[in-house]
Amino acid sequence: DAMVIQNPRYQVTQFGKPVTLSCSQTLNHNVMYWYQQKSSQAPKLLFHYYDKDFNNEADTPDNFQSRRPNTSFCFLDIRSPGLGDAAMYLCATRQGDANEKLFFGSGTQLSVL
Amino acid sequence: LAKTTQPISMDSYEGQEVNITCSHNNIATNDYITWYQQFPSQGPRFIIQGYKTKVTNEVASLFIPADRKSSTLSLPRVSLSDTAVYYCLVDYPLGNDKIIFGKGTRLHILP
Repeated sequence: DAMVIQNPRYQVTQFGKPVTLSCSQTLNHNVMYWYQQKSSQAPKLLFHYYDKDFNNEADTPDNFQSRRPNTSFCFLDIRSPGLGDAAMYLCATRQGDANEKLFFGSGTQLSVL
Repeated sequence: LAKTTQPISMDSYEGQEVNITCSHNNIATNDYITWYQQFPSQGPRFIIQGYKTKVTNEVASLFIPADRKSSTLSLPRVSLSDTAVYYCLVDYPLGNDKIIFGKGTRLHILP
């Protein structure tokens, strides 16, 4: 049973058209992460939530926003996608205690036309 | 956050034991060492975690010397399905919740 679910699996949007990616979890973890991964590169942390506390990485563009309305759900909003935003977007969760590992979803592959 | 260095890529053959070494010279006292595996078009998945000496599970072993400045992931008798990217992370779970991935090692298993 999938524990971190990302929808949709593939998303196509147009240049400049806002898009939202979603992530849900059944693990009741208090930390949720969004990573961007481009081809042949490592996942790059965009931001994470510890409960409702939002932590943005310094180099995450303002074009990227996130919402976490409750423990189970987290959204990634890209306000005006550019061609350079085409990537795999990975959601991960973790219980914010000692030694806990990350659980990843299958990712959403975003294409920008 | 301790930085990690791994070989960019490795090739091996089916049935061989594969050892991937990760260097983390400035590891802090409370940091743990965690390895993840990633197949194409999938999210990374946890393989193994350790603090010191040796850890073994059904998938791999992790060897950590006394100075903890490096670690070695050992995959016994690899198969074609072990072809993936392997990431070594150094993390202090009770501190900052940022988890940063290094470049990883692209392992290619040949028949």
